[in-house]
Amino acid sequence: GENVEQHPSTLSVQEGDSAVIKCTYSDSASNYFPWYKQELGKRPQLIIDIRSNVGEKKDQRIAVTLNKTAKHFSLHITETQPEDSAVYFCAASSRDTGRRALTFGSGTRLQVQP
Amino acid sequence: DVKVTQSSRYLVKRTGEKVFLECVQDMDHENMFWYRQDPGLGLRLIYFSYDVKMKEKGDIPEGYSVSREKKERFSLILESASTNQTSMYLCASSLTLRRRPSHEQYFGPGTRLTVT
Repeated sequence: GENVEQHPSTLSVQEGDSAVIKCTYSDSASNYFPWYKQELGKRPQLIIDIRSNVGEKKDQRIAVTLNKTAKHFSLHITETQPEDSAVYFCAASSRDTGRRALTFGSGTRLQVQP
Repeated sequence: DVKVTQSSRYLVKRTGEKVFLECVQDMDHENMFWYRQDPGLGLRLIYFSYDVKMKEKGDIPEGYSVSREKKERFSLILESASTNQTSMYLCASSLTLRRRPSHEQYFGPGTRLTVT
């Protein structure tokens, strides 16, 4: 089945700096790659996603890039703010589950220092 | 506004007890999921269901079972709770779009289960 690896596990940046979180996946047939943000004590929520027919997608200060050949995708947050502090999860859709289910990475705890 | 609710936020059970975790969604979603969340391990899929009375094993189904008798409700059952099942349990639901890959999953608030 699909395996998703995520790095780093923790990331600390100064307010205003950029943050990059990287993920690799194993199943070359996966074609949907969402990113979820989980604030402390809250439920995960989708912040951005990308499909395999697109190489990059942006939404204000966040962007995601996908390299299908290398089977990796990344989340980029620019001009970080304290409210960006959270745990971020990458995920990939699994062919084994008819692509209904997602395989998640282990998460990255981002801390933005004011 | 999608709403996914779970029956309890906190639950304490004894080893060997049968435990039921309930999840309800109000958006007529076909797909429902149960995950457990543990520090450093992310979200791991236990079971999912893509239709009433249908269920599929996820990555860690051992020690768990599920029930989906109605479209809006998906139950996770721990037949005989053990201490290694102490965890945060998250339910999620999503829509199926024909000829499209998986769609956004909406999560419930989670149930923190402690087995003593």
